[in-house]
This record gives sequence, structure tokens and C-alpha cells, in this order.
Amino acid sequence: SAVISQKPSRDICQRGTSLTIQCQVDSQVTMMFWYRQQPGQSLTLIATANQGSEATYESGFVIDKFPISRPNLTFSTLTVSNMSPEDSSIYLCSVASGRGRGETQYFGPGTRLLVL
Amino acid sequence: AQTVTQSQPEMSVQEAETVTLSCTYDTSESNYYLFWYKQPPSRQMILVIRQEAYKQQNATENRFSVNFQKAAKSFSLKISDSQLGDTAMYFCAFRSYSGGGADGLTFGKGTHLIIQP
Repeated sequence: SAVISQKPSRDICQRGTSLTIQCQVDSQVTMMFWYRQQPGQSLTLIATANQGSEATYESGFVIDKFPISRPNLTFSTLTVSNMSPEDSSIYLCSVASGRGRGETQYFGPGTRLLVL
Repeated sequence: AQTVTQSQPEMSVQEAETVTLSCTYDTSESNYYLFWYKQPPSRQMILVIRQEAYKQQNATENRFSVNFQKAAKSFSLKISDSQLGDTAMYFCAFRSYSGGGADGLTFGKGTHLIIQP
């Protein structure tokens, strides 16, 4: 398994501002994923981040709103830009650990964001 | 695109009872993985159990086991001897396996499981 940390753990932000969330893993991983969990809802994949290439975004999510960086094999950031109250969610970082058919995805503790 | 359906928004059982959470999925792929994750009030996502589609044998992890019916596209989770600490949201998740790397997970809406003392 992988140990994943996220910063900040929570934040309260004003609309129109941006917040950058950091995700750190204790081992080198190829793929990192960012998910959003809106209040009372399930998790939705925002994008997949592969080191050395542009992130791949899921339908409904765009790079201008959720820019992602992946500078190395243990770190990634997700920025929530020009925030509105609808962006209030838990944002979770996830990594694929293990090899081939043994791969499993593990999650960080999440960042709880409230936009006023 | 894959879809995952959990038809039980909430379930409640007495401590020590056995409970089964249902999950169905839809996919045209032959190679994939299925997972059950637990999310307690702390919001941490905890892997409970995983199943590879190519394996006919059902996965088990201590008190947790699955009933994987590939033809029916069904993947239920059985919790035996339920404990108060099992109270949580349980999410069923699907991931395809393309062989070229990991893909993201598709989640069901979740089942809120309450274990009563």
C-alpha cells in the first residue's frame, strides 16, 4: 500500500479566489488521480495525472478550472480556480500502487473545501 | 462508459448479524476490477476488498467476502459478525484494466450501513 498525505486538510475560501491542494506519496507512482466528492454524494474522477505529461480530464472538468501539476513521481497539485459555492466539496488524491494485475488504488485523507 | 449501481441507500442491522450490500455494474469490457471501499465519518476512503474479473473464486478478507457473478454483472459484499466499527458509507467501484496502466475508478452512489448495538 501507499501512504498519502494532503495539504491543506480543510479550508474556507471566498468566491472568486483559487486554492491549490497538494498531494504527497511516500513512494514513486506512475499514475495519480484527483476525485471530487460533493456533499452527500459519491466520488467523481476529475482527472488522471501522469508524470511528464498533461493531465487527462474527465467529461465535465476542464484544465482552466482545475489545473493540475505533476512535477515528479511522488507529488501532485490540484488547483481549484475562480471558486464558487458549488465547488464546496471534498477533494481526494489517489494513487495506483502495485504492479499489473495487482494494482489497487489508495486514497489520501482528502481536503475539505468550503466556498463562501 | 461504465456504470455502477447500488440500490440500497441505507441499511441498518444489529451488531453481530450478517449483512449483504448489493452492487451491479454495466460494462462491455472483459478485463476489469471491482472494489468495495468504506468511508467512515472521518471521510477517509478505506479499501475493504478487491476482485479481479478473470478470477472465478470470490475474494475474502476476514469478515468480508464478496459474491461475484460475472454473467449477471453483480458484485455484492457480505459482512459477517458485524461490528459497531463497520458503521460507514460503503462504495462499490469499477476499474477497467487496459494493460497500459491504471485507470480511474467509477463509483456507485454508496450505501450507508448502520450497525445498531
